[in-house]
Amino acid sequence: KQEVTQIPAALSVPEGENLVLNCSFTDSAIYNLQWFRQDPGKGLTSLLLIQSSQREQTSGRLNASLDKSSGRSTLYIAASQPGDSATYLCAVDNYGQNFVFGPGTRLSVLP
Amino acid sequence: DVKVTQSSRYLVKRTGEKVFLECVQDMDHENMFWYRQDPGLGLRLIYFSYDVKMKEKGDIPEGYSVSREKKERFSLILESASTNQTSMYLCASNHARGLVATGELFFGEGSRLTVL
Repeated sequence: KQEVTQIPAALSVPEGENLVLNCSFTDSAIYNLQWFRQDPGKGLTSLLLIQSSQREQTSGRLNASLDKSSGRSTLYIAASQPGDSATYLCAVDNYGQNFVFGPGTRLSVLP
Repeated sequence: DVKVTQSSRYLVKRTGEKVFLECVQDMDHENMFWYRQDPGLGLRLIYFSYDVKMKEKGDIPEGYSVSREKKERFSLILESASTNQTSMYLCASNHARGLVATGELFFGEGSRLTVL
């Protein structure tokens, strides 16, 4: 059964820093991997989707990479801003199992 | 832009009441999902549907039922609400996997249900 973990659980950085969030999964038979952002009390907002045949995706200051063979994805946020403060979740779309979500990384960017 | 709309952002109900949570998507997605999210437990799948009138149980279907009479609408029903169903409920949708569709999952804003 697929398991998804995220490290660190929480992260606090000063504004302007570049940072990396990590996502690990146990079964490499995935269809895609998706990164989401969740603000307190709100739904999840899709940030980036990487299909299983891709290695990375970029959107503005965000870059997500995927290494299927090692079961890892990273979300790189460049020049962090206070508005980036949120919880970031990764999810893998698993053949035969639907989406499996990680527990999230709670990010605080301090002004 | 894809829009997944949940009918109620906040609800307060009494134990034993019947509760309807409605979700509508405007992207002609085949698949629709209902999750609940609780602190320390993450997102858990309650039910999903891959077509009109079709439904599949997720990880925690007990105490819930669903209805999908039209492609764009997926309803979650709590027949007799209990206090342990106090939670954030999230609806999501996406296209079925295929050569063209990426399977990107889109969420609604969530419905915070409190059962007293």
